[in-house]
Amino acid sequence: SQQGEEDPQALSIQEGENATMNCSYKTSINNLQWYRQNSGRGLVHLILIRSNEREKHSGRLRVTLDTSKKSSSLLITASRAADTASYFCVGGSNYKLTFGKGTLLTVNP
Amino acid sequence: KAGVTQTPRYLIKTRGQQVTLSCSPISGHRSVSWYQQTPGQGLQFLFEYFSETQRNKGNFPGRFSGRQFSNSRSEMNVSTLELGDSALYLCASSFDGMNTGELFFGEGSRLTVL
Repeated sequence: SQQGEEDPQALSIQEGENATMNCSYKTSINNLQWYRQNSGRGLVHLILIRSNEREKHSGRLRVTLDTSKKSSSLLITASRAADTASYFCVGGSNYKLTFGKGTLLTVNP
Repeated sequence: KAGVTQTPRYLIKTRGQQVTLSCSPISGHRSVSWYQQTPGQGLQFLFEYFSETQRNKGNFPGRFSGRQFSNSRSEMNVSTLELGDSALYLCASSFDGMNTGELFFGEGSRLTVL
């Protein structure tokens, strides 16, 4: 299965600071996606990076992918209180998707 | 364009009962996948349906089953409920399948088993 494991499990920062979350996975993937979940709600897609890409940007988000290390990182710049949520990564390949427990990001105003 | 709709949003059942949850995907999407989320185990994949066929299944017991109709709406059923089945059940739809692109999630059905 394509298990994503996020690190750290929890992160608390001040508004305006940058937040970096990491993800590791176990087997080869075609793409890796990051999702955000506000407490008890559904997940919202943030960004998808394909296995032949190394870096991708979307607004305040920057994602990197290192397939040799089977790892990815998500950087949120100039964080806002509204960014407070859990963040999950998941790899897509063999029709088995397993999410990790996510990184709980708290942005303090 | 309407999003993914899950019903019911909340429900309470007792041990031994069975429950059916419904998911209406975004119009035109052929894939519906289901996930169970608990504080202890995180978000776990249950199964995916694509054009009315189960395409893959996670590591859940046979008490968990599902189906997909010709209009792509999907249902999942849990029989002989156990306390540990209490969870947020999420479904997601996509056009090509859960591994090829963006997943669109519903708000979930929160099941409490007493």
